[in-house]
Amino acid sequence: DAGITQSPRHKVTETGTPVTLRCHQTENHRYMYWYRQDPGHGLRLIHYSYGVKDTDKGEVSDGYSVSRSKTEDFLLTLESATSSQTSVYFCATAPLASQETQYFGPGTRLLVL
Amino acid sequence: GQNIDQPTEMTATEGAIVQINCTYQTSGFNGLFWYQQHAGEAPTFLSYNVLDGLEEKGRFSSFLSRSKGYSYLLLKELQMKDSASYLCAVNAGGGNKLTFGTGTQLKVEL
Repeated sequence: DAGITQSPRHKVTETGTPVTLRCHQTENHRYMYWYRQDPGHGLRLIHYSYGVKDTDKGEVSDGYSVSRSKTEDFLLTLESATSSQTSVYFCATAPLASQETQYFGPGTRLLVL
Repeated sequence: GQNIDQPTEMTATEGAIVQINCTYQTSGFNGLFWYQQHAGEAPTFLSYNVLDGLEEKGRFSSFLSRSKGYSYLLLKELQMKDSASYLCAVNAGGGNKLTFGTGTQLKVEL
């Protein structure tokens, strides 16, 4: 399995505060992704990156921003957290080609009060 | 738009065989993945299909029919540890992006 870590693993925050989640990989994979997982919705793509400083929006990008200043790190920022952003957030990476699976990090549980 | 359908829940008996179906309607197709996810854990890769037919990997097999927009995951000799959610995902466009179904929660009983 790819070496993917996420931090923090759990976080409780208040509505209106900014929150940054970090994904770190040691596999030198080109692609990185942020998903959220909610009951009844499955995994939904928030943002993804296809290289350093190259990012694009996914299906549910409103209220989120990302940055990738180096290959190994992909940051997800909730600019002003809302209760609807309470979720489990997964980071994933993929080496290159479309037939390559994505490898998932352990997830971050975020509760917005 | 992209649409992927799977049954929400299934129950099967230890030692039996179970088939989990997935149908999809997507604007493109670059392959279909199956993942396993135990409660509270990350999804892990099970199988990949891009051509029609059956891919076998131990107790797990996956089938694809591109013309029908249909796939299934077949689990043989079920074990209690196979109780998990099974996610169907389609690579339907650029950026190596996946669109996921909502998952099928499989419960294996004695």
